[in-house]
Amino acid sequence: DGGITQSPKYLFRKEGQNVTLSCEQNLNHDAMYWYRQDPGQGLRLIYYSQIVNDFQKGDIAEGYSVSREKKESFPLTVTSAQKNPTAFYLCASIYGTAGNTIYFGEGSWLTVV
Amino acid sequence: AQSVTQLDSQVPVFEEAPVELRCNYSSSVSVYLFWYVQYPNQGLQLLLKYLSGSTLVKGINGFEAEFNKSQTSFHLRKPSVHISDTAEYFCAVSDFSGGYQKVTFGTGTKLQVIP
Repeated sequence: DGGITQSPKYLFRKEGQNVTLSCEQNLNHDAMYWYRQDPGQGLRLIYYSQIVNDFQKGDIAEGYSVSREKKESFPLTVTSAQKNPTAFYLCASIYGTAGNTIYFGEGSWLTVV
Repeated sequence: AQSVTQLDSQVPVFEEAPVELRCNYSSSVSVYLFWYVQYPNQGLQLLLKYLSGSTLVKGINGFEAEFNKSQTSFHLRKPSVHISDTAEYFCAVSDFSGGYQKVTFGTGTKLQVIP
């Protein structure tokens, strides 16, 4: 089945450690996105990528990094510089040009203690 | 820069009553508008979208939305809600500029359907 797979679903880390969230899609979508979701704040855009080896900062990129070495993969690293990393993270993708539907993975819960 | 405003963070409504969830947007270019629904601990699913043409858009589960360019609004409506409609609803705007497609979401509205 086609879709977006995020892993792990739940992740616990100690403060000061970097952590990488995986996002893989087999939909042949061009654009991929990472959002962070916090209660009452909706979805905030972290990074997005339109093509391989190219990506743009979103509205809250500080403390995060990404790579896009393959079309199907867009991993997100939450670094120790991120002040409040505990959140629900959603990966998404879109096929083609503007106006197409954005599809989401099931999300990853990150808890930093 | 684009932005989306959902003024109501929570909307309680009795079962079988009508509901309207409000959404206003701003953008410097032509936009595409969407409504998504999120059930607990899940990703988002598309309810409906406006690309062009008729300003009244019908979606899944009996929802519809009306695009109003002069008021920069895209309010979501349902004439009679069901318990299963209890969820969080997000309005989103998408545009394509500089070779990048950016999708911005509002802060969400929690719809609570009361039996």
